[in-house]
Amino acid sequence: TQLLEQSPQFLSIQEGENLTVYCNSSSVFSSLQWYRQEPGEGPVLLVTVVTGGEVKKLKRLTFQFGDARKDSSLHITAAQPGDTGLYLCAGDQGYSGAGSYQLTFGKGTKLSVIP
Amino acid sequence: EAGVTQSPTHLIKTRGQQATLRCSPISGHTSVYWYQQALGLGLQFLLWYDEGEERNRGNFPPRFSGRQFPNYSSELNVNALELEDSALYLCASSLQGSYEQYFGPGTRLTVT
Repeated sequence: TQLLEQSPQFLSIQEGENLTVYCNSSSVFSSLQWYRQEPGEGPVLLVTVVTGGEVKKLKRLTFQFGDARKDSSLHITAAQPGDTGLYLCAGDQGYSGAGSYQLTFGKGTKLSVIP
Repeated sequence: EAGVTQSPTHLIKTRGQQATLRCSPISGHTSVYWYQQALGLGLQFLLWYDEGEERNRGNFPPRFSGRQFPNYSSELNVNALELEDSALYLCASSLQGSYEQYFGPGTRLTVT
């Protein structure tokens, strides 16, 4: 079973529209990260949220961490073709010994923004 | 500041051969993580190295192995390659004690 479920799997919208993608789990995470990945490249870290209820904004992107730290959402306002990519959420369940953390990734939401 | 680098960019092997993939972390990062990204399966955790030691491994057979060198660079070895090993292999690095991982561009491994 997938620890982190992302929805929708695929999303195709017109330039200028708003959208929200979700990342849900039955597990509690110490922190949750969002990445964007373009074809043939590695994921690029967009944001990390660590506090339940936390909201972070990155230009037209708004990230929210659920109060119970089990879910998160990413909202994009006025989407642009440059927003096209695979959006991945990744959660860490806390210190796993030896001084570092291990992330669990969702399968991602593939977003296409049509000009 | 240079990001995480990986080599080679592409690697084509035949079934049964061995593949070696390399990763150099961001300067100052001591932890290196390896992930496999196959079509439709998302990122699957493979291995985690820190301070030269293997700290954890994912649910992969022993023919997936690696090591971390004194300069914190890392190598992933895949023995007895199978067709289903074809994937993008991603390396990430982090500061010790940090949950933020930074990824390299990946190595595309194709097994024919």
